[in-house]
Amino acid sequence: QSALTQPASVSGSPGQSITISCTGTSSDVGGYNFVSWYQQHPGKAPKLMIFEVSNRPSGVPDRFSGSKSASTASLAISGLQAEDEADYYCSSYTSSTTVVFGGGTKLTVL
Amino acid sequence: QVQLQESGPGLVKPSDTLSLTCAVSGYSISSSNWWGWIRQPPGKGLEWIGYIYYSGSTYYNPSLKSRVTMSVDTSKNQFSLKLSSVTAVDTAVYYCARSEAAGTFFDYWGQGTLVTVSS
Repeated sequence: QSALTQPASVSGSPGQSITISCTGTSSDVGGYNFVSWYQQHPGKAPKLMIFEVSNRPSGVPDRFSGSKSASTASLAISGLQAEDEADYYCSSYTSSTTVVFGGGTKLTVL
Repeated sequence: QVQLQESGPGLVKPSDTLSLTCAVSGYSISSSNWWGWIRQPPGKGLEWIGYIYYSGSTYYNPSLKSRVTMSVDTSKNQFSLKLSSVTAVDTAVYYCARSEAAGTFFDYWGQGTLVTVSS
């Protein structure tokens, strides 16, 4: 199984909005609504930010939102804050009953 | 509150078997959840290794399947990972995590444990 495709890096200024894309195939992202997003700060474990494409776990700010179109999922962050600077990973269920992660995107808050 | 804690040797010799355990507290491992392992080589991205149900059913990453064995011990509320014939490329931080259902999302994670493969 191939990793989902994410941009290596994105950046934005405080208060701005950014979007991170996650491209797969019809066998993973395009075929199921089991896309999730994780935030990882250096030296820390990943934290679930979005599940099932667009749902936020309790405690995650509504500045974070998820969506999907065909085989590309997206994570949007509005009102960027310094603490949002982190690595972000998408993941998806696949037709082989497995899980595949994206390569990760480093978000820099300028 | 659900907590997961990985444990095991931090150094493994090449060709040996890596063995890790994940102790779960604040939640019964026999509940309707799947329990997974994910790893992250230094400076690189996340890689799903596999997951296991309390009954023993498993799903593994096809690229690791021939070397991976997962098991669960409901009496100790913990689950384990064994990865055989390790090489330097298996050096990584290994995380255990809870999955709502097979293939969905991981909502609780352990802190991770670094395993280095070196002689």
